[in-house]
Amino acid sequence: GIQVEQSPPDLILQEGANSTLRCNFSDSVNNLQWFHQNPWGQLINLFYIPSGTKQNGRLSATTVATERYSLLYISSSQTTDSGVYFCAVRADRGSTLGRLYFGRGTQLTVWP
Amino acid sequence: DSGVTQTPKHLITATGQRVTLRCSPRSGDLSVYWYQQSLDQGLQFLIQYYNGEERAKGNILERFSAQQFPDLHSELNLSSLELGDSALYFCASSPTWGSTGNTIYFGEGSWLTVV
Repeated sequence: GIQVEQSPPDLILQEGANSTLRCNFSDSVNNLQWFHQNPWGQLINLFYIPSGTKQNGRLSATTVATERYSLLYISSSQTTDSGVYFCAVRADRGSTLGRLYFGRGTQLTVWP
Repeated sequence: DSGVTQTPKHLITATGQRVTLRCSPRSGDLSVYWYQQSLDQGLQFLIQYYNGEERAKGNILERFSAQQFPDLHSELNLSSLELGDSALYFCASSPTWGSTGNTIYFGEGSWLTVV
């Protein structure tokens, strides 16, 4: 299956700081999603971004599919941004077509 | 609200017991996925159904089984439960099973604690 590596594994920020989370993947994909898992365990869809750049408020994401990586930018961090950020990808061919492969996540803690 | 509904939200049961987790996909979605999230294993894919048929199998134990019914809801059955089965179980859905352009949406999960 596809290997998904996220970095850094842990990130501690002061409120108001900016951050960049990275996701590397090992094969070509037709789906890449970023999720935020809040302290209650809910997986919140942030972006569907198999390629290109998208922005949603203080968050933006860029995927360079040809180089097999994606970046999630968080600007002006708030304490409510705390949680685990997951990158997940789906293969565009082969027997594993359909399923999402998840990275191990980046644990973000934002202090007031 | 993702539109994917999972019940129950929390469940505590004893070792050796059997439980059933239920999932209703988003309206119009034909594909259902089950994932298990434990502290040491991260998010693990269990199984996928598309329009009632099994499409892909991941790290699903033989003690676990699932099905998707004609109305497209799905159930995950966990039997002979062990302490290590304690985890957060997610259901997700998408319109199709593998084509591009389809966001996969996750339910809120079912917290299973085996004591």
